[in-house]
Amino acid sequence: EAGVAQSPRYKIIEKRQSVAFWCNPISGHATLYWYQQILGQGPKLLIQFQNNGVVDDSQLPKDRFSAERLKGVDSTLKIQPAKLEDSAVYLCASSLGSGGIPHEQYFGPGTRLTVT
Amino acid sequence: AQSVTQLDSHVSVSEGTPVLLRCNYSSSYSPSLFWYVQHPNKGLQLLLKYTSAATLVKGINGFEAEFKKSETSFHLTKPSAHMSDAAEYFCVVSTYNQGGKLIFGQGTELSVKP
Repeated sequence: EAGVAQSPRYKIIEKRQSVAFWCNPISGHATLYWYQQILGQGPKLLIQFQNNGVVDDSQLPKDRFSAERLKGVDSTLKIQPAKLEDSAVYLCASSLGSGGIPHEQYFGPGTRLTVT
Repeated sequence: AQSVTQLDSHVSVSEGTPVLLRCNYSSSYSPSLFWYVQHPNKGLQLLLKYTSAATLVKGINGFEAEFKKSETSFHLTKPSAHMSDAAEYFCVVSTYNQGGKLIFGQGTELSVKP
């Protein structure tokens, strides 16, 4: 079974530039998550999708971050414009879970973003 | 609200000695608890999970954890450390009313000395 795929693996940009990350979840997984992991901290949920719809985006900085999930499969996370404090690893995860039941989440390798 | 506190930011053990990584949680509802491991430049991998069944949970690679409601703890143990166990470990809590959302602790870095 193929795992969660993410690209790019690394990205370096200057502040005020834009960047986009892509995620392909495990086939059949209805729920998709984007996390931000700042160095030395645990991952923090940015947004959760259930199929096409957003379940939780309460911690997404909506003035600069946006995300979409196309046809309930792939997802993109965009930052525009980037700030220095956005330097982090962005993790995508997927799960079979639905209805709020905590299910195992499968994580991709992450995209390491450096903003200079 | 749910939260997790990992009591040690860094633990160092010698190869072949026991491992103990401590985790306390706070939850208003019956929690599901997880331990994830993160090796350098690799994705997070689930070690084990507790979801209201047996309180002693066995996971992969010889790890296990015990859910103690009275102590609100979910400590991770392994009888004998291996060099390959060196990694970052995260204790995670989730509840039904949070829509399956995972709340991560700050992480414990485990070092294994030869």
